[in-house]
Amino acid sequence: NAGVTQTPKFQVLKTGQSMTLQCAQDMNHEYMSWYRQDPGMGLRLIHYSVGAGITDQGEVPNGYNVSRSTTEDFPLRLLSAAPSQTSVYFCASSSQGRQQETQYFGPGTRLLVL
Amino acid sequence: AQSVAQPEDQVNVAEGNPLTVKCTYSVSGNPYLFWYVQYPNRGLQFLLKYITGDNLVKGSYGFEAEFNKSQTSFHLKKPSALVSDSALYFCAVREGGSYIPTFGRGTSLIVHP
Repeated sequence: NAGVTQTPKFQVLKTGQSMTLQCAQDMNHEYMSWYRQDPGMGLRLIHYSVGAGITDQGEVPNGYNVSRSTTEDFPLRLLSAAPSQTSVYFCASSSQGRQQETQYFGPGTRLLVL
Repeated sequence: AQSVAQPEDQVNVAEGNPLTVKCTYSVSGNPYLFWYVQYPNRGLQFLLKYITGDNLVKGSYGFEAEFNKSQTSFHLKKPSALVSDSALYFCAVREGGSYIPTFGRGTSLIVHP
């Protein structure tokens, strides 16, 4: 299994541009989530999904959209990039129904917005 | 609502000495507690978890954590630190009925040779 994969690894955007961060998992996990990591702020939840077709907002959802058309994929869309969205983004997945299951993280996407 | 606090931004310890990284939590009901480690330019990796049972949980790389319900704490420990243990450590908590855990801000562990 590849686990959780994320593309791209690094991206530079100009203010106002849009882009999609890709996330895929091959473990048939129902739960998927997106976090951003900023210095001194830890991991903050952006959006999450508990299954195909079901998404919900996390702690910092503004400026981001998600969709979950398949179990495997959970893309994160930046509608109009802003410098405040410069961060490292992590995707994670875990199993449903057993809340003790751990989360599996992707390697991250480092985003710089100029 | 679930929350977790890591009171130390950084912990410094000499190689061979015991280490402790602190974590306290707040939940409604029973907690599910986790520790993750992040090495530079990498994603988070699972270390250990507490669900129920023994208060002392053993995990990967010689780490262990002690669950203390009365103090609502879940401190990470290791008897003898290695330089290679230097990394960023995250505590996380999930309460019953919650889908996704809440992470602490992280503690940078620096082990000096």
